[in-house]
Amino acid sequence: EAGVAQSPRYKIIEKRQSVAFWCNPISGHATLYWYQQILGQGPKLLIQFQNNGVVDDSQLPKDRFSAERLKGVDSTLKIQPAKLEDSAVYLCASSPSRAPGYTFGSGTRLTVV
Amino acid sequence: AQRVTQPEKLLSVFKGAPVELKCNYSYSGSPELFWYVQYSRQRLQLLLRHISRESIKGFTADLNKGETSFHLKKPFAQEEDSAMYYCALSGNNQGGKLIFGQGTELSVKP
Repeated sequence: EAGVAQSPRYKIIEKRQSVAFWCNPISGHATLYWYQQILGQGPKLLIQFQNNGVVDDSQLPKDRFSAERLKGVDSTLKIQPAKLEDSAVYLCASSPSRAPGYTFGSGTRLTVV
Repeated sequence: AQRVTQPEKLLSVFKGAPVELKCNYSYSGSPELFWYVQYSRQRLQLLLRHISRESIKGFTADLNKGETSFHLKKPFAQEEDSAMYYCALSGNNQGGKLIFGQGTELSVKP
């Protein structure tokens, strides 16, 4: 089966600019996760979707981050405006159910300068 | 508080030597524990999970609830084992959310 697809692979922006990341999960997977991985740290969950509904966004900085999964398939994660500390790899993962042990995408590496 | 601790940032061993990557966790209920691996320029992938009690690529990990540990072991390290290893925890009724440790970089020298 095809894996989790993410784009772009790399993005460099200036602080205060906006940026968006895209994720296409494995076909049929109802659950989608966005994680943030800062250099030298393990991934941290930002938001979890079940179909097109949000299950957990408790660690999403809602003043600047937003995410949607309108049709319950693809998802976009947006940052507006970006700060230097947002520099990280943004990982998307999907699962057929709300169970761990799931598949990650290759990630988008964001550098904010 | 839910937490995963990997005390070593870097572990360097010679080929053929035994390897143990340490993982300790803090969780009030009955967690599910995982090891993920990320080889150079590859995506994060699941290595093993404690409920499977399996050996993958020669690696094993046993959940010790008394010591709240889930150490990853391999009797004879190979150069291709060089990678970043992350221990992760998922609590029951958490919808699959994973809490990761900071990771340990394993370097196997020839």
